[in-house]
Amino acid sequence: EVQLVESGGDLVQPGGSLRLSCAASGFTFSTYAMHWVRQAPGKGLEYVSAISSNGGSTYHADSVKGRFTISRDNSKNTLYLQMGSLRAEDMAVYYCARRGPGYGSGWLDYWGQGTLVTVSS
Amino acid sequence: EIVMTQSPVTLSVSPGERATLSCRASQSVSSNLAWYQQKPGQAPRLLIYGASTRATGIPARFSGSGSGTEFTLTITSLQSEDFAVYYCQQYNNWPSLTFGGGTKVEIK
Repeated sequence: EVQLVESGGDLVQPGGSLRLSCAASGFTFSTYAMHWVRQAPGKGLEYVSAISSNGGSTYHADSVKGRFTISRDNSKNTLYLQMGSLRAEDMAVYYCARRGPGYGSGWLDYWGQGTLVTVSS
Repeated sequence: EIVMTQSPVTLSVSPGERATLSCRASQSVSSNLAWYQQKPGQAPRLLIYGASTRATGIPARFSGSGSGTEFTLTITSLQSEDFAVYYCQQYNNWPSLTFGGGTKVEIK
């Protein structure tokens, strides 16, 4: 069974930093691209970052570029999101999600339960 | 950036009736469109990808159609567990994914 379990969400002050983790199991982690998607309270879904299966290529939404860094450790089956210079508008539930298999895919077929990041002084 | 617009924002439907949800893209995304269902306090669940292919385990009452800029998610004979928020998402220019604002399907 595919499982994605996020952790690391916390209350942090504006300007602070935080690292989120996503532990994957039930599939060959090293063969799938992965994403972070966030959802502000009462709002819709927003793409944050993506990373290729081997970690060689990373992508970030303009809203977080230069402040967030996605990475992965395939030996530990874990995805990370290093978040810096946090702002009030970064407050959200952060989900990790697996990109679907196959060439040309871009749908997200499995999601974790999410971890809440609160940015407040 | 490709903007995805969903309508209506809220759809009131009686159990057993059909629900039709729309999603429009600001430019063509071919068939690179997915639909998700999200219930309160839960993560989104993939329903449809490739505009019309049901994901594993998704009941046949869910169907997707469309291509280019206009897409539809149809839920025939709504069940109690189908009342939720539904999002469309384009992946035509992966990894830059964009989601629609969502349609809430509520009990009439």
